[in-house]
Amino acid sequence: EVQLVESGGDLVQPGGSLRLSCAASGFSFSNYWMTWVRQAPGKGLEWVATLNRDGSEKHYVDSVKGRFTISRDNAKKSVYLQMNSLRAEDTAVYYCVRGMAFEYWGQGSLVTVSS
Amino acid sequence: DIQMTQSPSSLSASVGDRVTITCRASQGINNYLVWFQQKPGKAPKSLIYAASSLQSGVPSKFSGSGSGTDFSLTISNLQPEDFATYYCQQYSSYPLTFGGGTKVEIK
Repeated sequence: EVQLVESGGDLVQPGGSLRLSCAASGFSFSNYWMTWVRQAPGKGLEWVATLNRDGSEKHYVDSVKGRFTISRDNAKKSVYLQMNSLRAEDTAVYYCVRGMAFEYWGQGSLVTVSS
Repeated sequence: DIQMTQSPSSLSASVGDRVTITCRASQGINNYLVWFQQKPGKAPKSLIYAASSLQSGVPSKFSGSGSGTDFSLTISNLQPEDFATYYCQQYSSYPLTFGGGTKVEIK
């Protein structure tokens, strides 16, 4: 069974940093592109970042470029999102997603940016 | 950036109805389109990929069609568990973009 389990969400002050983790199981992790998608409270879905199989190709939405970094460790079957210089508008549930066609989603991790 | 426009933004329907949701891309995306279902407080669930291919385990009451810029999701024989919000998303080019969502409510 494919499972994606996010962790690391928390309450953080504006300007602060946070690192989200996503642990994968039930599939050959190194064969898949991985993505982070977020959803602000009561809002729609927003793509954040995508990473290819070996971590050599990364794509970001403009609003997080220079602040967020996506990475992966295929040996640990995990993908990460390092978030720096956090803003109130980054408040959202962050989902870890598998594959180019977003076949499987984790349950989400809540990040709240507030003073 | 490719804009994805869904319509309607919400609809009311009865159990047993057949409903269609449309999604229009601001430029051609071939068939690089997926449809998701999201229930309150839950993660989205993939229904359709490549515009018309059913994800494994998804019932055939869900169907997708279209190519280029115009796409649709049809749900047949609506059941209580189908009342949810549905999103389209293009994966043709970065930045990847979602439609605004269609909330399907019980009439």
